[in-house]
Order: sequence, then structure tokens, then C-alpha cells
Amino acid sequence: KAGVTQTPRYLIKTRGQQVTLSCSPISGHRSVSWYQQTPGQGLQFLFEYFSETQRNKGNFPGRFSGRQFSNSRSEMNVSTLELGDSALYLCASSLGLAGAIYSFEQYFGPGTRLTVT
Amino acid sequence: KQEVTQIPAALSVPEGENLVLNCSFTDSAIYNLQWFRQDPGKGLTSLLLIQSSQREQTSGRLNASLDKSSGRSTLYIAASQPGDSATYLCAPRAGNTGKLIFGQGTTLQVKP
Repeated sequence: KAGVTQTPRYLIKTRGQQVTLSCSPISGHRSVSWYQQTPGQGLQFLFEYFSETQRNKGNFPGRFSGRQFSNSRSEMNVSTLELGDSALYLCASSLGLAGAIYSFEQYFGPGTRLTVT
Repeated sequence: KQEVTQIPAALSVPEGENLVLNCSFTDSAIYNLQWFRQDPGKGLTSLLLIQSSQREQTSGRLNASLDKSSGRSTLYIAASQPGDSATYLCAPRAGNTGKLIFGQGTTLQVKP
């Protein structure tokens, strides 16, 4: 079974631009979560999507948005990039079904390294 | 608001030692807790998931315990190897969601 894949793996953008990151979950997984990892703040939850609906949202500004498609693939978008958005963006997938044991065990992709200059 | 603390922040040991990594969390109303390892610049690898109703979970040389009432989890690594060198992260989950709250991790170096 293929793992979680993220594209692109590396990205360099200029301040003020926007960026879209993509995540393909493990086959059969319906929940996709996004995290931002920086040396100063560590791993922080951005949002979770389940069946094309945002189920949870972290404490990030509105410049960060996401969506999920009917095949469970997800994208996140960051508009008006700032230097502080430079980070490793990680996507994780899980079955996401309430009541099923281990359904929320998360599997992470390799991440997208975003550098904003 | 859930806060997660991991002690120690860093650990350097000779190969073969048995290790204990500690994780504490402030809100004991958790659904489960997951332990991960992260190699430098890479994604996270799930090691163990322990349900709130469980006391222990084992996988090979790894054993995780959970004391929900006191807000603590421990990862025990037996007979450490250089390949165990990585950052270990614990993350409790509050409910039926994909939202994990992470600690800052314990960076482990196992010297040959």
C-alpha cells in the first residue's frame, strides 16, 4: 500500500506570492490533516478535512486555507506569503471514522519544504 | 488548552542502553496518544498508538505506557541502537478528530 505523498517536496517563493501544496492520502483514508513545523514553534495543527468538509481548524490566519476533493486528495493554499511562513508543511492521513478502533492513527507524508525569500 | 511537555529535550547514550522518554500533557481528557519518530528533515513515522483505555502498548523493542489520570505517557526503548537516533514526539488526541497536539520532542543520539 502506497504511503502518503506530498508534492512538491521543495519550493522557493517570494514574499507576497501565493502557493499551493498537494497531498495524496493512503488509499481508503478519508481524513487529511495539515501541520506546519518550524524550529521555533514546533509542529502546529493547521486544519483537518474529512469527506470534503473542514472538520477542525487550528489557530492560523485566514491566509491559510485548504480543500479536499472527492478522491480524498487535499490541497492547502497560502496567500500573500510572509517570511515567517517558511516551514516544513506536513500532511497526515487516517481512516477518520468515528467508533472504529485505530481509525484515527495518523500516517504522515515526507513534507513540503517551503522557503519564502 | 492542551499543552504537551517532553523530557528530556535531548539525550545521548551509548549503544545497548535501555531508555525512558517522558511525555506529560495538561488535559487528561484524551481519546488516545500517538508516539512518532522523526529523522532530520523528514516526515513523521508512527511508532505506537495507545488508546485511553489501555495502559500499555508494545511493538518490538518499544513499549509505551499511558497514565491518563496523571497526564503522563512513557516510551521505553530497549537495547538502543544507532539506528534509533532521531527525534521522538508524543501527541495526544482530544477526540474523534485528526487533530494532534505535539510536544517539542526528545532528540536521541545513540553512539556506537
